[in-house]
Amino acid sequence: AQKVTQAQTEISVVEKEDVTLDCVYETRDTTYYLFWYKQPPSGELVFLIRRNSFDEQNEISGRYSWNFQKSTSSFNFTITASQVVDSAVYFCALSGMGDYKLSFGAGTTVTVRA
Amino acid sequence: DSGVTQTPKHLITATGQRVTLRCSPRSGDLSVYWYQQSLDQGLQFLIQYYNGEERAKGNILERFSAQQFPDLHSELNLSSLELGDSALYFCASSVALSGANVLTFGAGSRLTVL
Repeated sequence: AQKVTQAQTEISVVEKEDVTLDCVYETRDTTYYLFWYKQPPSGELVFLIRRNSFDEQNEISGRYSWNFQKSTSSFNFTITASQVVDSAVYFCALSGMGDYKLSFGAGTTVTVRA
Repeated sequence: DSGVTQTPKHLITATGQRVTLRCSPRSGDLSVYWYQQSLDQGLQFLIQYYNGEERAKGNILERFSAQQFPDLHSELNLSSLELGDSALYFCASSVALSGANVLTFGAGSRLTVL
């Protein structure tokens, strides 16, 4: 069974600070996919990034970056120079190769204050 | 606009009643997923259909049922409603049948059971 743990329930920062969201996962699959989704106050779920288990290269996309470490089963996500519009609930999610559903973590609520 | 359309956006009903939530997937997507989001359970996978056939089942109650029609739209039927069924119900769609798929979510249907 897949399991995703987001230990941080809430994070509050001042605008322009960096925010790092932790995600730890459990899976028995050798091939799997990790995702981050964002849920702004309006309620919809928006896809941010996807990583597969074979690619541990960390990347930066605009103000977003992620750190995937297979050895510690972690997939952390960083927002650089946070803005008020980044205020949302952020979900880490996991799926296996033949597992058609996404298993979500409990979410981390990020509040960015002006 | 994600391209996934869910109706109704809000629904208030009484215990014991039956409701139907409707989802039209993004154009070209064959797979439809249903998720329930509640404060105590988080985002829970309910069921998935691919091209009209049920392909995966999660923690869906026996009082709930779903189907995907030939035009690929899907309906989630919730019956004998209880207070605990109050939640945000999301539909998502994806192109194919793979754990690598990025799910595109609709705006959700908020169900309140009084």
